[in-house]
Amino acid sequence: NAGVTQTPKFQVLKTGQSMTLQCAQDMNHEYMSWYRQDPGMGLRLIHYSVGAGITDQGEVPNGYNVSRSTTEDFPLRLLSAAPSQTSVYFCASSYSGNNSPLHFGNGTRLTVT
Amino acid sequence: TQLLEQSPQFLSIQEGENLTVYCNSSSVFSSLQWYRQEPGEGPVLLVTVVTGGEVKKLKRLTFQFGDARKDSSLHITAAQTGDTGLYLCAGGEPGTYKYIFGTGTRLKVLA
Repeated sequence: NAGVTQTPKFQVLKTGQSMTLQCAQDMNHEYMSWYRQDPGMGLRLIHYSVGAGITDQGEVPNGYNVSRSTTEDFPLRLLSAAPSQTSVYFCASSYSGNNSPLHFGNGTRLTVT
Repeated sequence: TQLLEQSPQFLSIQEGENLTVYCNSSSVFSSLQWYRQEPGEGPVLLVTVVTGGEVKKLKRLTFQFGDARKDSSLHITAAQTGDTGLYLCAGGEPGTYKYIFGTGTRLKVLA
């Protein structure tokens, strides 16, 4: 049972480069979300989706794009990387969103130089 | 945007001691969850509380949701070295599918 799988685990980018962080879940969860984790700031919601074809912004969406073409996949795109986007990124899914437990991947550690 | 403040931010205690971690907000949440995170891994759910005043126990861990559903506490009795980790509270924003996370409490239990 894979759960939530994130790739890559580590990534280094130069300022201005673009990339996609992959997230896949095999639990048939409708709700998926992306968070970034920075020291002393907990987890901040970037974007979320309540089902295929539906996405919405979280607290810190600027500089990131998402799409949800299938139930299983929820990629996060960095359009033009900036040093302020250096962080650890977590993808999470849940059965129905509010009040349901979130299942997290193991994170992608991104460094932008 | 709703905010969740956790305290203390850091806690270092001896094995066998008791401790309490607090999660406070001025906003009402539809539910409150507690997670524990180990280095290099994603957070893992410990408990969900939904009703104001609700108390849940998980072995040596006791969780309480405030009567007004604005705050929560996590109490650990007789801490063990295996309790070491980052503890995060997360509130469900009413009427949305959003979870707002607290700032985290990093606990270290010394043998």
